[in-house]
Amino acid sequence: QSVLTQPPSVSAAPGQKVTISCSGITSNIGNNYVSWYQQLPGTAPKLLIYDNYKRPSGIPDRFSGSKSGTSATLGITGLQTGDEADYYCATWDSSLSAWGVFGGGTKLTVL
Amino acid sequence: EVQLLESGGGLVQPGGSLRLSCAASGFTFSTYAMSWVRQAPGKGLEWVSGISGSGGNTYYAVSVKGRFIISRDNSKNTLYLQMNSLRAEDTAVYYCAKGVTPQFYDTSGYYSLNFDCWGQGTLVTVSS
Repeated sequence: QSVLTQPPSVSAAPGQKVTISCSGITSNIGNNYVSWYQQLPGTAPKLLIYDNYKRPSGIPDRFSGSKSGTSATLGITGLQTGDEADYYCATWDSSLSAWGVFGGGTKLTVL
Repeated sequence: EVQLLESGGGLVQPGGSLRLSCAASGFTFSTYAMSWVRQAPGKGLEWVSGISGSGGNTYYAVSVKGRFIISRDNSKNTLYLQMNSLRAEDTAVYYCAKGVTPQFYDTSGYYSLNFDCWGQGTLVTVSS
């Protein structure tokens, strides 16, 4: 069971918008930055969002991130079939000691 | 071009040891924190261990603490993961990942798990 809670799956039609939630606690999301990764089948993960809402160069503005309290959200607009992938949130847990944590992952299906 | 190339994976018996390597190129290796992240077959991502750019700070997941050792040789642009007392549940693809700053935290003390480059992964199978 992951420290960060994500829905196992979400789906939407091409062109639509979808959001993926990531729930944690004060010692992880509440006190640290959240990143989001996209993993296409059979490939290594790719950084989509860092420091809660920032996009690396080359990531289209269809992807957005936000954080409020102990939860974070990834938004994807204008869905494309190429967006079908697994999405993971990530942060640190800085309770007794510090270590990195990923969410359990969310499978996005573009219908 | 930034590149990370893992090696050292393979089949090992429970209780055995293995050392993974990650050869880095295309960037100033010593100025970036690095991590190992694994993914068991059909499962999600699990952060395993991290090390600061200088090598002075190391971090471990609870599941591997005391069994795995992360290190780096900045003169060789190489990251390592020494894995001891291996268990079946350590079976996974192990990815090397490059951070975006020398430490995992910023001047405000906030940590982040930002990896802008990943290797292709190396498979570790623990089985008798």
